[in-house]
Amino acid sequence: AQTVTQSQPEMSVQEAETVTLSCTYDTSESDYYLFWYKQPPSRQMILVIRQEAYKQQNATENRFSVNFQKAAKSFSLKISDSQLGDAAMYFCAYRSYYEGGSEKLVFGKGTKLTVNP
Amino acid sequence: KAGVTQTPRYLIKTRGQQVTLSCSPISGHRSVSWYQQTPGQGLQFLFEYFSETQRNKGNFPGRFSGRQFSNSRSEMNVSTLELGDSALYLCASSRDGGASYNEQFFGPGTRLTVL
Repeated sequence: AQTVTQSQPEMSVQEAETVTLSCTYDTSESDYYLFWYKQPPSRQMILVIRQEAYKQQNATENRFSVNFQKAAKSFSLKISDSQLGDAAMYFCAYRSYYEGGSEKLVFGKGTKLTVNP
Repeated sequence: KAGVTQTPRYLIKTRGQQVTLSCSPISGHRSVSWYQQTPGQGLQFLFEYFSETQRNKGNFPGRFSGRQFSNSRSEMNVSTLELGDSALYLCASSRDGGASYNEQFFGPGTRLTVL
């Protein structure tokens, strides 16, 4: 079974600075998806960024980018020019390629990000 | 386009009762997944339905069940509620099941409190 580990329960960053959230995962599969989701307080979970395991190039979405190290099974999220609206719980998630097309996500425990003005 | 909706948003029940939660996916989406979110266990996958069939199931007792209707709306039922069932229950929908990528969109959740 796949597992996802986020070793930083809480992180803080100053507005306009850069912060990196860590995620490691364990799997025996070679093809899969990795995601970062954001859950603001009392608001819906939204997708921040995704990475397909077969792609060597790291995904980027505006101020958000990932460092995907497949051999090390590491998938960190970098947030540049942090904004107050980035404050949220961030979840790293794994989706298998092979479970009969299932959309099942395996989540890490999350990292609570605080952005200080 | 309306997002994923979940009803009710808040629910208070007592131990031993049963509860039914509802999820309406985004129009055109055929896959609905359910997750339980608690402070201790985090987000855990309950089950997924696609075209009225359960496609995958997490490691939860048989008290947790679900179904999907022909219009893709889904319900989950928890029987004989226990205190530990208190959680935020999230559903997520995606356009289609399959190996190719489909973004999942989450609903606001139903906050269940068991007294």
